[in-house]
Amino acid sequence: GIQVEQSPPDLILQEGANSTLRCNFSDSVNNLQWFHQNPWGQLINLFYIPSGTKQNGRLSATTVATERYSLLYISSSQTTDSGVYFCAVPNYGGSQGNLIFGKGTKLSVKP
Amino acid sequence: DAGVIQSPRHEVTEMGQEVTLRCKPISGHDYLFWYRQTMMRGLELLIYFNNNVPIDDSGMPEDRFSAKMPNASFSTLKIQPSEPRDSAVYFCASSWSTDTQYFGPGTRLTVL
Repeated sequence: GIQVEQSPPDLILQEGANSTLRCNFSDSVNNLQWFHQNPWGQLINLFYIPSGTKQNGRLSATTVATERYSLLYISSSQTTDSGVYFCAVPNYGGSQGNLIFGKGTKLSVKP
Repeated sequence: DAGVIQSPRHEVTEMGQEVTLRCKPISGHDYLFWYRQTMMRGLELLIYFNNNVPIDDSGMPEDRFSAKMPNASFSTLKIQPSEPRDSAVYFCASSWSTDTQYFGPGTRLTVL
């Protein structure tokens, strides 16, 4: 099946700093999603971004499908950005809806 | 919409007991997913349904696990008998087509 690798595994930032999270995947995909899991465990979908660039406030994401990676940018980080960020792609060895999640990047934003 | 609703939010049970987790998807969504999250294995898909029909149950760990979706607004995940290694957070998610998935708050299961 497809492999998903996220980096860095852990990231500590001072409030106001910018960061870039990376997601590499081992095969072609037509569906990539970024999620944020907050410290209370809730999973929130940030982006559905199979290709191109999208922006939502201080967050933006870019997927370069031909090179099999996606980047999540967080600008002017806030303490509420803390949590774990996951990317997920379909496992085509299975079926279209079978998303494979990376291990995540744990972000801690200090005040 | 209220979002994906799961119940109970916490469940503590003893080994050997039957556990039933419940999920109400977002109205109008035609896909429903059950995930399990543990420290060791991360987030893994157990099973998903399309229009109430199970499509892929390859992630269901054992015959002790079963899932049903009797109608478009309700699904259950049952574990019988439960074992300590089933302790995890179980998430339900729904989506329109294979688009953006929306997750419920999860059920934290502890099997003693």
